[in-house]
Amino acid sequence: KNQVEQSPQSLIILEGKNCTLQCNYTVSPFSNLRWYKQDTGRGPVSLTIMTFSENTKSNRRYTATLDADTKQSSLHITASQLSDSASYICVVTTKTSYDKVIFGPGTSLSVIP
Amino acid sequence: GAVVSQHPSRVICKSGTSVKIECRSLDFQATTMFWYRQFPKKSLMLMATSNEGSKATYEQGVEKDKFLINHASLTLSTLTVTSAHPEDSSFYICSARDPLNTEAFFGQGTRLTVV
Repeated sequence: KNQVEQSPQSLIILEGKNCTLQCNYTVSPFSNLRWYKQDTGRGPVSLTIMTFSENTKSNRRYTATLDADTKQSSLHITASQLSDSASYICVVTTKTSYDKVIFGPGTSLSVIP
Repeated sequence: GAVVSQHPSRVICKSGTSVKIECRSLDFQATTMFWYRQFPKKSLMLMATSNEGSKATYEQGVEKDKFLINHASLTLSTLTVTSAHPEDSSFYICSARDPLNTEAFFGQGTRLTVV
């Protein structure tokens, strides 16, 4: 069964600290993995997209890693800011006769002063 | 990046009425658009896949007659919630796939409240 799991479910950190969010998937065949940031009451915004051959990709203070062998990904946020408070969603796409997108449940991050 | 515009952002309607939500891709032609529903503190749930010029493909458990989807052009898909009930109150989000890079971009979402 194609599934995407994320941990932790929620996280509270102090402003300026770093944090790492985890994503495990059992999706096959794998096409790509994306991390999205969703602010409350808004649509998701893409942070990174990673394909099978990519191990690490950075976007400003966000660094995503992908281990295709263990089917794990992480999103590392450096020097967190209050505006980082949001839900972070891991999304995996399969590559079959049509692309099927599987959403993770998300990690709710709260950055406090 | 590509922009997907969703309108309205918020709507309140009376039970029994119908509400139409629009999803537009502003700078690319989207042959495929997706409609999602999201409950508080939950992930997005795919409702249906909208294909330009053909009937939408609905996910299991989604009522076709209640959630009418029309994708009449390459830049516009609409979701109409018919005979709305309070339990239809939710956050609805569309996304459109840019065929050039296969990435899907999301609209801003629509908060529907049925009273």
